[in-house]
Order: sequence, then structure tokens, then C-alpha cells
Amino acid sequence: GESVGLHLPTLSVQEGDNSIINCAYSNSASDYFIWYKQESGKGPQFIIDIRSNMDKRQGQRVTVLLNKTVKHLSLQIAATQPGDSAVYFCAENGSSYKLIFGSGTRLLVRP
Amino acid sequence: DVKVTQSSRYLVKRTGEKVFLECVQDMDHENMFWYRQDPGLGLRLIYFSYDVKMKEKGDIPEGYSVSREKKERFSLILESASTNQTSMYLCASTRADMNTEAFFGQGTRLTVV
Repeated sequence: GESVGLHLPTLSVQEGDNSIINCAYSNSASDYFIWYKQESGKGPQFIIDIRSNMDKRQGQRVTVLLNKTVKHLSLQIAATQPGDSAVYFCAENGSSYKLIFGSGTRLLVRP
Repeated sequence: DVKVTQSSRYLVKRTGEKVFLECVQDMDHENMFWYRQDPGLGLRLIYFSYDVKMKEKGDIPEGYSVSREKKERFSLILESASTNQTSMYLCASTRADMNTEAFFGQGTRLTVV
């Protein structure tokens, strides 16, 4: 079946360091893989997506890497800031119109 | 500023009550979704709709129904609320041709007592 999971529930990093959040997926048929950020008290917010035929995509301070061989997705955040503290979800657009989310990783940024 | 608005931020209902959660989007999006969010389980899809009056079951539709009479409005209905439906409910919408970028409401925290 379709499932998306995460390796670590909580990641603590020093402000200014780079953060890497990892995700494993099981559905190789998904066209896109996506990262969302959810700040406390808010709904998730789109960060970046990557098409399944790509292995890397860069945004502003973020890079998403896709390794289809091992079905692994990662989000790298450069120079992590206090405002990056949030829960991060990976997701995939499975069959039909659905977005399937993983269970989330909490990122804590230490001052 | 684009918006998905959920009618209530917090709700407390009694077991057995019929509960309506309302969601409105102002982006003319074709697709709308209802998720529930529980600790450690992420977001689980309850129902979604890709057009007016069209709906499809998500992964956990039992105990829920939905209504989409107008493009901008998607309602989630708990036919007979139970305590295991205590959760955070999130509504989202996407364009039909760009369905990776979902816009979410702020969520409704429902407590069933």
C-alpha cells in the first residue's frame, strides 16, 4: 500500500548549522514528493516539491534530494534559523488526487 | 492573500451529536480535502472532492460524510460524534493542475465528550 514514513521524530540543531530531515516512502508510482512545514497553531505550509524524474531541487535555503533506488527523500535547510522550528512533513501525490503525508519530524533550533 | 478558512478554531461536542465542520476557500480551487491530525500519525485523509458534488473516500472515511454544493465550500459531517473522533481537523485545497501545493486552513480542534 501507499505509505510515507520518517526516520526521526525530533531533530535538534544549533542555530546557523545545516539541518537534514529524512523520509522513506514506499510508493514508487508517485509523480511528486513534497515537503511541508507546520508551525505551532497553524496548518501545514508548502515548502518545495520534486518530480520523480529528478534527484535534486533547490529553493531558497532548502534543497530536496530524492534517491529512488532506496526510496529515500531528504530536506536540507541551510543556516538553520529560529524561525525554522516547526514540524516537517514529507508527502507524496499517490493515486488520483490524494496527497499522502508522513508522520512528521519536529525540528528544534537551539540558540 | 489566498485563504482557506475553517469556521471554528475550537469545538466541544457531546457523544452522539451531529457535527458540521465548514471550510471555505477563495482561490477558485477545484480540489478540496479533509484531513485529521493526531500525534504520531501525521495527517490522514478522510475525504476529498475534485469538483462540485463529487467526492471520494480517503483512508479513514468511517463515521464521516462530506458535502460540496458550491466550489468554494467543503463541509465535513460527523453523523454521530464519538470520543475517538476527538482530533485536529484540517481542510485544504489545491488547483487541479498543481495538486502538490496544498493550502491549509488553520485547523479545528474538536473535542467529543
